[in-house]
Amino acid sequence: NAGVTQTPKFQVLKTGQSMTLQCAQDMNHNSMYWYRQDPGMGLRLIYYSASEGTTDKGEVPNGYNVSRLNKREFSLRLESAAPSQTSVYFCASSEYGQSVAYNEQYFGPGTRLTVT
Amino acid sequence: GNSVTQMEGPVTLSEEAFLTINCTYTATGYPSLFWYVQYPGEGLQLLLKATKADDKGSNKGFEATYRKETTSFHLEKGSVQVSDSAVYFCAFGGTSYGKLTFGQGTILTVHP
Repeated sequence: NAGVTQTPKFQVLKTGQSMTLQCAQDMNHNSMYWYRQDPGMGLRLIYYSASEGTTDKGEVPNGYNVSRLNKREFSLRLESAAPSQTSVYFCASSEYGQSVAYNEQYFGPGTRLTVT
Repeated sequence: GNSVTQMEGPVTLSEEAFLTINCTYTATGYPSLFWYVQYPGEGLQLLLKATKADDKGSNKGFEATYRKETTSFHLEKGSVQVSDSAVYFCAFGGTSYGKLTFGQGTILTVHP
């Protein structure tokens, strides 16, 4: 049981390049999330997917797109990278349900992205 | 709107000292409350949680009590260890698709 996995662990891009961050979970969770972590800012939600086939914008969606490929996988794409997107990106999943007790999220190890 | 305010860090303590990290929230309804911990180079791990008022979450010697009257969820540990050095995040979640709102994080460093 690997939990939440992310690839790659590190990436350096030049301004204007594109890339896709991959995320997969093996806990059969309905909901998945992408966050970015910046110093002093905590974690900010970029996009989320409440269930397979649905995606919605979070707090900071500009410059990103997502795909919920199936129940296991949720990818994040940067179409034209900018230095402001230098950050650590975390994917998470949860068994969202009708009860607030299902809010617990499980996190991947993160992708450290640098855009020059 | 919904928000979480955490005690600003960094916090530096000697081993066996008492730890408090303050957390207050602003939210509608009665959210679930969480403390997550992030060790260097790793993702976030759930440390403890509380789902209703007056609940006490506890794990690894850490405790936090859900105080509805003061909208707070302060993290405490009676005797910290060097291995507790990490970043601690307070968070709350309502029923909106399982989304969580995080505080900005508090860096804790424990010296021998």
